[in-house]
Amino acid sequence: QVQLVESGGGVVQPGRSLRLSCAASGFTFSSYGMHWVRQAPGKGLEWVAVIWYDGSNKYYADSVKGRFTISRDNSKNTLYLQMNSLRAEDTAVYYCARDLAAGGLEWLLLNWGKGTTVTVSS
Amino acid sequence: EIVMTQSPATLSVSPGERATLSCRASQSVSSNLAWYQQKPGQAPRLLIYGASTRATGIPARFSGSGSGTEFTLTISSLQSEDFAVYYCQQYNNWPPSITFGQGTRLEIK
Repeated sequence: QVQLVESGGGVVQPGRSLRLSCAASGFTFSSYGMHWVRQAPGKGLEWVAVIWYDGSNKYYADSVKGRFTISRDNSKNTLYLQMNSLRAEDTAVYYCARDLAAGGLEWLLLNWGKGTTVTVSS
Repeated sequence: EIVMTQSPATLSVSPGERATLSCRASQSVSSNLAWYQQKPGQAPRLLIYGASTRATGIPARFSGSGSGTEFTLTISSLQSEDFAVYYCQQYNNWPPSITFGQGTRLEIK
């Protein structure tokens, strides 16, 4: 079955960097667009970024544009989120999620990981 | 940016009764509207997409309706496992983005 396992979260000081990973299994990773979504403590969901199945296109939320970079390694079935210039407001659980459609993008989040927690604090 | 507004913030309903949750978009999203369920400590689960299509494995008691700017999620006969937070999500194609509503907490009355 589809499995997504995030890692790389932790406590980091403002202004520093962190890289999250999402290991995928149970499906053909290279056929699906992938998303990052975050949820601040006690708050709602915020979409962060998306990458096409082949890495050809990437889009970001305005709140992270220029600071975060989404990427993927289809040979390793792994999705990444490089987070630079971190701010307190980036504190959240970060989920990776698989898009609904293979070979394209439906912008629908069918399968989710359990999340990894990022805390930005001095 | 399209803003999604859900109402009410909290809905108290007894098991076995019907629950109706609303979601309004600040501009038309056509039928590009999805609903997710999130239970405490868990990741969200896709329930409905295309405003009214149930995702695989979602019970028939969940139904969605609406188009344009007004949408509704109806749970016909609440089961104990349905008490959770529900989010609507629009997926407008341009600019490419996803936005969520702030959520409706469905609690046991």
